[in-house]
Amino acid sequence: DTAVSQTPKYLVTQMGNDKSIKCEQNLGHDTMYWYKQDSKKFLKIMFSYNNKELIINETVPNRFSPKSPDKAHLNLHINSLELGDSAVYFCASSQVGHGSEQYFGPGTRLTVT
Amino acid sequence: AQSVTQPDIHITVSEGASLELRCNYSYGATPYLFWYVQSPGQGLQLLLKYFSGDTLVQGIKGFEAEFKRSQSSFNLRKPSVHWSDAAEYFCAVGPFGNEKLTFGTGTRLTIIP
Repeated sequence: DTAVSQTPKYLVTQMGNDKSIKCEQNLGHDTMYWYKQDSKKFLKIMFSYNNKELIINETVPNRFSPKSPDKAHLNLHINSLELGDSAVYFCASSQVGHGSEQYFGPGTRLTVT
Repeated sequence: AQSVTQPDIHITVSEGASLELRCNYSYGATPYLFWYVQSPGQGLQLLLKYFSGDTLVQGIKGFEAEFKRSQSSFNLRKPSVHWSDAAEYFCAVGPFGNEKLTFGTGTRLTIIP
């Protein structure tokens, strides 16, 4: 069983479109994250949710809106896509507390043309 | 603010040779430190972590890392690399509960026969 899964794996779309990426974890974790990895492999946190509540919201354009329907799911919706949004987006989860680590999904490669 | 520096962008080693990847961090309190590996087209996998106790930590795939508080370093080592170790390696630092991991820029490891 895949611990953290993301769909789709690849997403190619045109500028101006709206798209969503879905993430699900079956680890029973209480915290989920979205990261963006740019073309230089730099990995930066975007959002974090704990028990469906937003706890980290980095400097991200408000075109990006995360939604957590329940503890096991964290989706990312992006409005009015721009060329600079092209990147690999990773979902991760963890159980907050001493000794925990984040488990990452396989990533979604978004290409905006 | 916490930060991580991985001074080596790219390292090439021969198969069977030893490896050391450098990581320096900046953090105001006791850091929680991690090494992750990303194989091409894959998500990130945790190699090892340090929270407290013994400063030499063992991880998966034969990797180990040593925490040196005086040098603010957490270098990753392996005595003998295998061709399958070719990947991108990321060092990360976070607070208690690691809600907000800060990643280094990564070191790409190439293995030559």
